[in-house]
Amino acid sequence: EDQVTQSPEALRLQEGESSSLNCSYTVSGLRGLFWYRQDPGKGPEFLFTLYSAGEEKEKERLKATLTKKESFLHITAPKPEDSATYLCAVLGWKTSYDKVIFGPGTSLSVIP
Amino acid sequence: NAGVMQNPRHLVRRRGQEARLRCSPMKGHSHVYWYRQLPEEGLKFMVYLQKENIIDESGMPKERFSAEFPKEGPSILRIQQVVRGDSAAYFCASSYAGQGGPNAEAFFGQGTRLTVV
Repeated sequence: EDQVTQSPEALRLQEGESSSLNCSYTVSGLRGLFWYRQDPGKGPEFLFTLYSAGEEKEKERLKATLTKKESFLHITAPKPEDSATYLCAVLGWKTSYDKVIFGPGTSLSVIP
Repeated sequence: NAGVMQNPRHLVRRRGQEARLRCSPMKGHSHVYWYRQLPEEGLKFMVYLQKENIIDESGMPKERFSAEFPKEGPSILRIQQVVRGDSAAYFCASSYAGQGGPNAEAFFGQGTRLTVV
């Protein structure tokens, strides 16, 4: 069965303290891995799509990387406005097609 | 270009009533997905629709829940005879293409928070 786990569950950083969030997945052939950001009381906001191992994407202070078993979301010199829950999701070939499976998320707090 | 629009943002229903949640996808998007999110839990897939077709409803409870995406108008998620356990945030997402290829990114609405009292 396709699964997605994320670690840590919660992360507290000082402003400027770089770190990484992990998304580990088990899927029958990866078709796509997605990263989203979700603020309290709001819908998830799309960040990145990664399709194959070795692929990397960047957006401002965020960089997403992908291997065959996991993805990392690297946050460089975070600011308080980066505080949010970061969600990882995967789509596999044998998943009932187009049914994306979400991980539980990592709650990030950046302290000034 | 407006984003995905959901309404109402908040909905309160008494046990046994019906709840109707609406979702207008982004302009040009013909793929719609509904998810449910419980407090402290992740997003759970419910149903995937294209215009006038239900493509995958494997995440939707067999009873009391139904969804449609008519040729004209918004997608509707309908919950009949609501119970307290239906209280959750319901999110709709839309994409230009199915999520297995290019232009597959799904964009979410702000959600409808359903409270059953």
